[in-house]
Amino acid sequence: EAQVTQNPRYLITVTGKKLTVTCSQNMNHEYMSWYRQDPGLGLRQIYYSMNVEVTDKGDVPEGYKVSRKEKRNFPLILESPSPNQTSLYFCASSFGNNQPQHFGDGTRLSIL
Amino acid sequence: RKEVEQDPGPFNVPEGATVAFNCTYSNSASQSFFWYRQDCRKEPKLLMSVYSSGNEDGRFTAQLNRASQYISLLIRDSKLSDSATYLCVVSTRKGSNYQLIWGAGTKLIIKP
Repeated sequence: EAQVTQNPRYLITVTGKKLTVTCSQNMNHEYMSWYRQDPGLGLRQIYYSMNVEVTDKGDVPEGYKVSRKEKRNFPLILESPSPNQTSLYFCASSFGNNQPQHFGDGTRLSIL
Repeated sequence: RKEVEQDPGPFNVPEGATVAFNCTYSNSASQSFFWYRQDCRKEPKLLMSVYSSGNEDGRFTAQLNRASQYISLLIRDSKLSDSATYLCVVSTRKGSNYQLIWGAGTKLIIKP
């Protein structure tokens, strides 16, 4: 089954404790992206990747890191999480950045 | 002014009615347009792409008006299951790449 898999689905953690949210897709998509969604603001892009070893900042990259060592994986790293990063996060993938995207189920992060 | 704007709603509509909502975009060079549907706390799912000539998928019709820079979504014979938030997405050139810009969504509630 074609899918984008994110883990964990839910995480409650404390300020400053490094965390990683994994994202994996099995559709051989070149383009992958991370979004956060906050009430009233819609989806905002954090980082995206056009292909392996190619990543770039989206609209709200501060406080986040990503890597793309393999085509299928695109982890999101919060080196020192802060409460303002409490949000619903989505990973998405597609064949190109001009194409409709397939989303993971989402990760709800709470930073205390 | 936001790059992609939607009326947040909610639109409260009786079952069986026809409902339409628009999405305006600010960049005249935008290339691709999509409507997504998002159920509460779930991931966005592609509803339909929007083509220049307009397109229809069952009860759903999408239209693009480049001159006035908006896209529209029409739902005929609305069902209770159509209750969701509808997200408008526009692909816009940013430097040498395209970026998907998301509207904040229009909430639709279908009442029996």
